[in-house]
Amino acid sequence: ELKVEQNPLFLSMQEGKNYTIYCNYSTTSDRLYWYRQDPGKSLESLFVLLSNGAVKQEGRLMASLDTKARLSTLHITAAVHDLSATYFCAVDIGNVFGQGTRLTINP
Amino acid sequence: ETGVTQSPTHLIKTRGQQVTLRCSSQSGHNTVSWYQQALGQGPQFIFQYYREEENGRGNFPPRFSGLQFPNYSSELNVNALELDDSALYLCASSLDPGTVLFEETQYFGPGTRLLVL
Repeated sequence: ELKVEQNPLFLSMQEGKNYTIYCNYSTTSDRLYWYRQDPGKSLESLFVLLSNGAVKQEGRLMASLDTKARLSTLHITAAVHDLSATYFCAVDIGNVFGQGTRLTINP
Repeated sequence: ETGVTQSPTHLIKTRGQQVTLRCSSQSGHNTVSWYQQALGQGPQFIFQYYREEENGRGNFPPRFSGLQFPNYSSELNVNALELDDSALYLCASSLDPGTVLFEETQYFGPGTRLLVL
């Protein structure tokens, strides 16, 4: 059974700091997705990573994929309050999700 | 916004009742997936439909069933509702499943929040 684990599950950080969210998965997967969810809202697609070594960046967020280690990271640079949300990774065809990382960025 | 719509937005039912949730896919998308998201949890995959056929199913009992129509809109039906069925139900539309040649992703609708009393 494919399992996806994220850590940390909760992260509180100050504006301007850098941090990384980790996503480990248990079996080989062709692709990995990152999503953002604001409280009470639906999921917004952030990144699709398709190959080993893939790196995508959008603003202060950068995602990478290491298929050999079965690991993806979501790096936040110089965090701002607007990035406060829950972040999910998902693998397989995008239908196996991690537990989510609830990120709170304090002024 | 993604172009994926769901109805109703909220619903209250009692145990044992049946419910039908609806989803309209983004234009041009032929695949729809349904998810159940309990409070504080990640989405759990229920099933996927591709061109009107079920194309994969998660660990949900048969009382969860679905349909996809020729216009690629979709329904999720849940029979014999249980208290644990209370959750946010999300549908997501996408292009052909399993295609690795391009960066296809899913586009989620706003969800239907179901409360079972």
